[in-house]
Amino acid sequence: KAGVTQTPRYLIKTRGQQVTLSCSPISGHRSVSWYQQTPGQGLQFLFEYFSETQRNKGNFPGRFSGRQFSNSRSEMNVSTLELGDSALYLCASSSGPTAGNTIYFGEGSWLTVV
Amino acid sequence: GQNIDQPTEMTATEGAIVQINCTYQTSGFNGLFWYQQHAGEAPTFLSYNVLDGLEEKGRFSSFLSRSKGYSYLLLKELQMKDSASYLCAVMDSNYQLIWGAGTKLIIKP
Repeated sequence: KAGVTQTPRYLIKTRGQQVTLSCSPISGHRSVSWYQQTPGQGLQFLFEYFSETQRNKGNFPGRFSGRQFSNSRSEMNVSTLELGDSALYLCASSSGPTAGNTIYFGEGSWLTVV
Repeated sequence: GQNIDQPTEMTATEGAIVQINCTYQTSGFNGLFWYQQHAGEAPTFLSYNVLDGLEEKGRFSSFLSRSKGYSYLLLKELQMKDSASYLCAVMDSNYQLIWGAGTKLIIKP
């Protein structure tokens, strides 16, 4: 059974550009959540989608957005990139928002903004 | 507000035992998770506790006391490969995971 797949794994963007990151959850999983992690820091929650609906959203500016498709695949977009957006972006999937459902992480997308 | 507290960093010796504590205050409780994250890698699931008591899984054990809002992860027979960050997360009443900042564990020979 394939794990959570994130693409691209590494990317470099210029300040002011926009970027789209993709996440394919584990087969059968309908919940996808996104996190930002900067070096030496904990996980900062971005948003969670379940059955194409955004269930929860973290405290990030409107430049950060996401969506989920009918096949549960998800994308997140960051517009007008800033140097501080350089981070590891992690996607995680689970079968849904139920007690005990473990979330599984993808390997992440490393974004560098120059 | 919701809050998860863990020590920032701990150091232990290879072959020894270490206990990483986690205290929490959340809106409701639907279980507590521990994850391990090696530098530059994604977090991997270690354990889940929803009832009070100790759950043992090989060299790793996790304990929960809901009345005290407290959990710990116990690592026995430490190995160099256990050097990593350990993340505590609580699932709140909305089934959202609230994450601690993580504990960086350094293992010395």
